[in-house]
Amino acid sequence: EAGVAQSPRYKIIEKRQSVAFWCNPISGHATLYWYQQILGQGPKLLIQFQNNGVVDDSQLPKDRFSAERLKGVDSTLKIQPAKLEDSAVYLCASSSRTTGGKYEQYFGPGTRLTVT
Amino acid sequence: AQSVTQPDIHITVSEGASLELRCNYSYGATPYLFWYVQSPGQGLQLLLKYFSGDTLVQGIKGFEAEFKRSQSSFNLRKPSVHWSDAAEYFCAASNSGNTPLVFGKGTRLSVIA
Repeated sequence: EAGVAQSPRYKIIEKRQSVAFWCNPISGHATLYWYQQILGQGPKLLIQFQNNGVVDDSQLPKDRFSAERLKGVDSTLKIQPAKLEDSAVYLCASSSRTTGGKYEQYFGPGTRLTVT
Repeated sequence: AQSVTQPDIHITVSEGASLELRCNYSYGATPYLFWYVQSPGQGLQLLLKYFSGDTLVQGIKGFEAEFKRSQSSFNLRKPSVHWSDAAEYFCAASNSGNTPLVFGKGTRLSVIA
C-alpha cells in the first residue's frame, strides 16, 4: 500500500511570509498527526485529527499556525507569518489499528522548512 | 509530565560490534513503547514496538528491545552492527489507545570500519 505522502519536500521562505504543507495519509487511516521536529530534537506533536475533527491541538501555536482536514482525508498545515524559530522538519503521520487492537503510526518523509 | 529520555546524544561503534541504545520513560502507567530510525532526509521508520506481554521484542533489521518495568527502560540492542545502521534513533512512548507519541531527543549512531 502507498505510504503517507507529503509535499513539498523542501521549502525556503523569508520571515513573515506564509507557507503551507500538504499531507495525504494512508488510505483508510482515520487519525492524522502533524509533528514538528527541530534540528537536534525529537518530533513534537502539533495537532491530532480524527477524521475531520480536531482531537488535540494544545501544542499548536494558534497565533500563527493553522491546520485543517476538511474531508477527513488530506490535511494542510499553514504558518502565517513565519518566524525564524519555525525552521524545522514537519512530519505527517497517520495511524491504523493492528490486528491486536493497538495502534501504530506511519510517518511521511517530512517537509524541511527553512526560514531566513 | 510524561517524558522519554535518551541519555546518549551520539554513539560510535565499530562495524560488527554490538550495540545498545538506552531509553527511559516517565509515565503514570506503563505506556506503549516504540523505537524508530531516521536516516538523513528521510521520515521515521518503525523498528519495533512493545504493547504488553513478552518483555523482549524483536523488530526489523535484526534489532531487539527489552522492556524493564523496574527500571522504566526500553533499551534497543543489536548483536552486530552494519555500516548501513548509521542513522538517528528515536525512542517514543504513548498512552494506550490512539494517542500521540512522545519522543526522546534521539541518539545519533555512527559506524566506523
